[in-house]
Amino acid sequence: AQSVAQPEDQVNVAEGNPLTVKCTYSVSGNPYLFWYVQYPNRGLQFLLKYITGDNLVKGSYGFEAEFNKSQTSFHLKKPSALVSDSALYFCAVNGNNRLAFGKGNQVVVIP
Amino acid sequence: NAGVTQTPKFRILKIGQSMTLQCTQDMNHNYMYWYRQDPGMGLKLIYYSVGAGITDKGEVPNGYNVSRSTTEDFPLRLELAAPSQTSVYFCASSDLIRGEAFFGQGTRLTVV
Repeated sequence: AQSVAQPEDQVNVAEGNPLTVKCTYSVSGNPYLFWYVQYPNRGLQFLLKYITGDNLVKGSYGFEAEFNKSQTSFHLKKPSALVSDSALYFCAVNGNNRLAFGKGNQVVVIP
Repeated sequence: NAGVTQTPKFRILKIGQSMTLQCTQDMNHNYMYWYRQDPGMGLKLIYYSVGAGITDKGEVPNGYNVSRSTTEDFPLRLELAAPSQTSVYFCASSDLIRGEAFFGQGTRLTVV
């Protein structure tokens, strides 16, 4: 079975500070990893993905994520957070043709 | 480009009633999914389909049924609504088995 863990319920960060949202995964075989963002009363929007290649993946809105195979992690990062980044962030893994999501992290960027 | 379209956006059902949540996509994606989202629980996969005529159960299929007669449409059926089915339902599609999924705007269902 595949699974995703997002250990923090909420991440608070001051505007302009670096933002990190943590994700670890468990899957047999090579993982396909994704980050999505959800704004209130909206569907999920794709941010970035790791399939193969460079461990540092760059995505939309200045976000990036680092794949670490030994630690089975795929943390989402942004060098300088904006108030508009406040949203719910989901990590997901696809290891057996089904997309499994973590429980999500609420990110609050404080002006 | 409409992407993934879900209807209705909101619905209130009485216990025991039935309804169908509609989902259609115009991207010619083979893979389609239904998820439910409950607060603090993330998204749980209900059913998925890898192509027209092929469906399979996800993590939480009980109380639901699906069909996939065309590439575009993937309706989700609730036969006997129960309060435990109060949730937000999302339909999604993708063009590769392991590609990113595109989501609809969701259907907020309340069973009373």
